[in-house]
Amino acid sequence: GESVGLHLPTLSVQEGDNSIINCAYSNSASDYFIWYKQESGKGPQFIIDIRSNMDKRQGQRVTVLLNKTVKHLSLQIAATQPGDSAVYFCAEMRETSGSRLTFGEGTQLTVNP
Amino acid sequence: SQTIHQWPATLVQPVGSPLSLECTVEGTSNPNLYWYRQAAGRGLQLLFYSVGIGQISSEVPQNLSASRPQDRQFILSSKKLLLSDSGFYLCAWSPTGVAQGVYNSPLHFGNGTRLTVT
Repeated sequence: GESVGLHLPTLSVQEGDNSIINCAYSNSASDYFIWYKQESGKGPQFIIDIRSNMDKRQGQRVTVLLNKTVKHLSLQIAATQPGDSAVYFCAEMRETSGSRLTFGEGTQLTVNP
Repeated sequence: SQTIHQWPATLVQPVGSPLSLECTVEGTSNPNLYWYRQAAGRGLQLLFYSVGIGQISSEVPQNLSASRPQDRQFILSSKKLLLSDSGFYLCAWSPTGVAQGVYNSPLHFGNGTRLTVT
């Protein structure tokens, strides 16, 4: 079936290091991907998105890479800070499904001082 | 700028009692509105979405219902809560046209309601 999932449920990094959070999807028809950050007790916060006609997109300290060949998505956070500690979700949207986002299970990122 | 409000932030209700969670959006017109549920430590499950007043689509069969009495108001309800209804409920909005696949745009979430059914 169709699914969006994450490789690792937890990730621990040292402050200042770069973080890489991975996500796999199974439907080659997926055409839009979003990364969200969710802090404890809050709703998901939009970080960055990428469309299937791109393979890389950069934001402030974050980069999303899309490899359509292996159906893989990653979020790179540069110079990780304690405030980056949160659960990160990838989400997939297919134009044929309208805007019904399919979420992965999430990765807990912990930044150690 | 657009803002989304959900209330209450936390709620403890006994089994069999009714439920009403409210969500409002400001700063935009005719948004698409969504209700999601999140189990502890898990991803989000879409419950309902709405593309306009009185238009509700249900994604999963359940003990809940949704209504949209006004353009920017979305309500999640239940007549009789079950223990399994406990969870973190999130409201979200997106620009007009997204639900119809006109174009893709991220959903913007409220800060959720933590519901505990005892």
